[in-house]
Parts: sequence; C-alpha cells; structure tokens
Amino acid sequence: KAGVTQTPRYLIKTRGQQVTLSCSPISGHRSVSWYQQTPGQGLQFLFEYFSETQRNKGNFPGRFSGRQFSNSRSEMNVSTLELGDSALYLCASSYPGRANPSRTDTQYFGPGTRLTVL
Amino acid sequence: GQQVMQIPQYQHVQEGEDFTTYCNSSTTLSNIQWYKQRPGGHPVFLIQLVKSGEVKKQKRLTFQFGEAKKNSSLHITATQTTDVGTYFCAGRTIKGDSNYQLIWGAGTKLIIKP
Repeated sequence: KAGVTQTPRYLIKTRGQQVTLSCSPISGHRSVSWYQQTPGQGLQFLFEYFSETQRNKGNFPGRFSGRQFSNSRSEMNVSTLELGDSALYLCASSYPGRANPSRTDTQYFGPGTRLTVL
Repeated sequence: GQQVMQIPQYQHVQEGEDFTTYCNSSTTLSNIQWYKQRPGGHPVFLIQLVKSGEVKKQKRLTFQFGEAKKNSSLHITATQTTDVGTYFCAGRTIKGDSNYQLIWGAGTKLIIKP
C-alpha cells in the first residue's frame, strides 16, 4: 500500500497570507489527524477528522481549520499567517479503531509539509 | 485539560549504556502507544500497550504499562547509534469528555555521546 502523502513538501509564505495543505491517507483509512511540530517541540495536535466530521480539536486559534472529503483526503488551512506558524505540519492516518480502543489504531504519518513564514 | 507528561526531555548516553523514558498521564488511559522519530523524519509507530501491567519486548526495547494504566515507560538496553531519535508516547483517553483523544507526550530525545 502507498503511504500517507502530503503536498506540498515545502512552502514559503509571507505574513498575512493564507495557506492550504493537503493530505492523502493510506487507502482504506478513514481517520486523519493533523499536527504542528516546531523545532525542539513535541507534536501539537490540531484536529482529527473521521468520515468528513471533525471529531477532536486541539487548542489552536480559529485561523487553523480543516476539512475532510468523502474519499478521506484532508486539507488544512491557515489564514492570516504569522511568523510563529512556521513549522512542520504532519498528518497521520489510521484505520478507525476508536470504537474498540483495544484494537491497534496506529497513526501512520506522512513526511510533512515544512511551512516557512517570512 | 488532560495531559501526558514525558520525562526527561533529553538524555545523553554513551553508546552501550541504557536509556529510559517515562510517561505519566493525569487520567486513566485505554491504551498507550510509542513512536520513534529519527532526525529529519516523521514519527513511526513502535508498539501499543492495552492491558494493566502489560510488558512487551522488542529486541533491546522493553515497554511497560502501569497497573493503574496511567503511566508507561520505554527502556532501551545497550543503546546503539541506530537508536538515536526522539521517542514519543501517546495515550488514548477513555470515552467521555475527551472522546477517545490521543494525547501526546512532549518526547524524549536520545543523544549518543561520541
């Protein structure tokens, strides 16, 4: 199976602009989560989508939004970019295991999109 | 909110020494997962623990889940240069207010001293 793909891999934007990142999950996976990772920081959870519905949301401002399509592909959007938004944005897909937490719900990560805001 | 504290943030070891990272949750977890992120890479799943008191081994790596399902540890025996990276734990909460959310620790960076 092909892995999780993210596009673009690198992006440079200026403050005030907006950006849309895309994530294609592993075939058959219906859950997609987004994370922000800054140098030296851990993984900051942004949101999780399952069957086109946002199931969980992290503590990020409303400038960060996302959506999921019927084919499970997901996009996240950041509006009015700030310098502090420079980060690696990772998406992870998983086979739904939420109904039974004892099942392995491995998160499969994509390579990430490195966003630089100037 | 619910948190998973992971310590230490960094650990410097000589090659051949042991390494341990600990995670402690503020609430009971339904399971805990461990991931490894190599420098420049993305997190890769290592293992999932589900049962109270569970211990699993993968070669030189030993994973434990506490009796109360609130804490976990990863121990690496006789570290090698291939073990370098950041190790993350991620705890799956119990259905309720948190709706099965996956709460991530901040990670422990393993550095091998030359």
